[in-house]
Amino acid sequence: NAGVTQTPKFQVLKTGQSMTLQCAQDMNHEYMSWYRQDPGMGLRLIHYSVGAGITDQGEVPNGYNVSRSTTEDFPLRLLSAAPSQTSVYFCASSYSGLAGSYNEQFFGPGTRLTVL
Amino acid sequence: GIQVEQSPPDLILQEGANSTLRCNFSDSVNNLQWFHQNPWGQLINLFYIPSGTKQNGRLSATTVATERYSLLYISSSQTTDSGVYFCAVNNRLAFGKGNQVVVIP
Repeated sequence: NAGVTQTPKFQVLKTGQSMTLQCAQDMNHEYMSWYRQDPGMGLRLIHYSVGAGITDQGEVPNGYNVSRSTTEDFPLRLLSAAPSQTSVYFCASSYSGLAGSYNEQFFGPGTRLTVL
Repeated sequence: GIQVEQSPPDLILQEGANSTLRCNFSDSVNNLQWFHQNPWGQLINLFYIPSGTKQNGRLSATTVATERYSLLYISSSQTTDSGVYFCAVNNRLAFGKGNQVVVIP
């Protein structure tokens, strides 16, 4: 198993550009999520999905879109990049997002994004 | 939302020393994980421990859910233990700000 994979590893954008961060998992996990990590801070939840066709907002969703057309993939879209979106982005997955279920989450290696 | 506080924020250890990291949370939880973020930024799962005690080699963890805290023990620390340790709770994983650990030879 490759686990959770993310592409690209690094990206530099200019303000106003759009791009998609890719995330894929091969563990047949229902639950997937995106986080951002800023210097000196823990991770903050952007969006999550409890299964194909279902997405919802996390703590910091503004400026980001997601969709989940398959169990394996959960791309994150930046529609019009801003310098405030400079961060490291992590994707994660687990078997279930349901309370009371076994929900150990596994993280991808991250994408380091700089917006100029 | 739930608040997660980790202490101490920074810790410098001599190689071979033992240490305890603490995670306090403000409400009941149904999920708690400890992660190690290595100097390359990779997040490594250490423990999935919503309650009870677990051990894995030199690391062990205890969560007392009724008193809203979890502890991570590092014994006989090695330089490879350096990095940031994160506690995160619940299904939507609310993270603390981490414990920055530096182990010096």
